[in-house]
Amino acid sequence: SQKIEQNSEALNIQEGKTATLTCNYTNYSPAYLQWYRQDPGRGPVFLLLIRENEKEKRKERLKVTFDTTLKQSLFHITASQPADSATYLCALMMDSSYKLIFGSGTRLLVRP
Amino acid sequence: EADIYQTPRYLVIGTGKKITLECSQTMGHDKMYWYQQDPGMELHLIHYSYGVNSTEKGDLSSESTVSRIRTEHFPLTLESARPSHTSQYLCATRQGKQEPTGYTFGSGTRLTVV
Repeated sequence: SQKIEQNSEALNIQEGKTATLTCNYTNYSPAYLQWYRQDPGRGPVFLLLIRENEKEKRKERLKVTFDTTLKQSLFHITASQPADSATYLCALMMDSSYKLIFGSGTRLLVRP
Repeated sequence: EADIYQTPRYLVIGTGKKITLECSQTMGHDKMYWYQQDPGMELHLIHYSYGVNSTEKGDLSSESTVSRIRTEHFPLTLESARPSHTSQYLCATRQGKQEPTGYTFGSGTRLTVV
């Protein structure tokens, strides 16, 4: 079955720097890959969706890349702010059912 | 303002009790989902629905049941709660258009069974 790997260690960076989070998956490539933000005790919030035939997607300070050869997606937050501190989840949308399979997330801490 | 509502936010209940977790949405979406999440762990799909009178079990086996009598309402029921059911339950919706979109999640119900 499909497995999603996100770094379980928290990423701790200085305000203003670029945060880069990694999502690796096994087996076959998904049709779509999504990134979500989750704050403690809350539900995930959708950020970006990228299709398998897209290499890169941008939204304001966010950028997502998708490399189906490496089976990897990178999520970047430029000019990071303390308010960006949260857990970021990678999710794969596998087929026409559009059900999501989630990774366990990476916690990002942005120091002032 | 939230378009998907889950109640209660927190619930502490004794073993053997019957509980219903409520999920309502005002967006008119056909697709609705229930996920279960333990602290620091990934979300697991336990139930989903593609419309009224349509319900399916998800990838994670669950003793809970769901119903979809109205588009806007997708409640989850546990007939006899056990400590192993302690977890966070998250409800989500998605537009049923051909092109996929992101999910909209509720704030979740944190269930503790003692």
